[in-house]
Amino acid sequence: DIQMTQSPSSLSASVGDRVTITCRASQGISNSLAWYQQKPGKAPKLLLYAASRLESGVPSRFSGSGSGTDYTLTISSLQPEDFATYYCQQYYSTLRGITFGPGTKVDIK
Amino acid sequence: QVQLVESGGGVVQPGGSLRLSCAASGFTFSSYGMHWVRQAPGKGLEWVAFIRYDGSNKYYADSVKGRFTISRDNSKNTLYLQMNSLRAEDTAVYYCAADWGSYRSSYYYYMDVWGKGTTVTVSS
Repeated sequence: DIQMTQSPSSLSASVGDRVTITCRASQGISNSLAWYQQKPGKAPKLLLYAASRLESGVPSRFSGSGSGTDYTLTISSLQPEDFATYYCQQYYSTLRGITFGPGTKVDIK
Repeated sequence: QVQLVESGGGVVQPGGSLRLSCAASGFTFSSYGMHWVRQAPGKGLEWVAFIRYDGSNKYYADSVKGRFTISRDNSKNTLYLQMNSLRAEDTAVYYCAADWGSYRSSYYYYMDVWGKGTTVTVSS
């Protein structure tokens, strides 16, 4: 299986801050990476796929980048509705399974 | 609009069985692959299984392989997860999700649309 790690595991930030979350795969995954946002008691919501493609309807303050094993999610200016937990997910190969990162909780400073 | 509604969760004893259902509407269910994803209380997301649009290919997480079976009935627009030999560690909210990238394909990608989930508790 391909293992995913995320850093940090949690962070505190203020409205307007620029926030960056990192996701690392145990092997190269050729941009086969998605990012999700989850709020307490709710289902996850897809934000980005193919590492950098914004899902329809997702605000442009969310962006993604990376290659190989290392990827980042950036929120350019944190909004009150962005306080949530963020997960990365790799989908590199149907033979290796799908794995999620452990999540990064973003809360209010 | 696109909607996924899970049902069938509940409390079951260790070693027992349960079948979850996911009713789909608002899209051509028979053209898309579907996933089950679970989340244990206070924990992260864990992918469980994927089924191809026509049901001919299925993939499972190692943690459920041999115990869980994913299936679908395209005539009823419904996805299923048969869970046998349940363990305490299977306790979780179970979500079904549609994978738009898997349109008429054997490959899976990511979860575009999610249901609200159904809770499974394995306890004596």
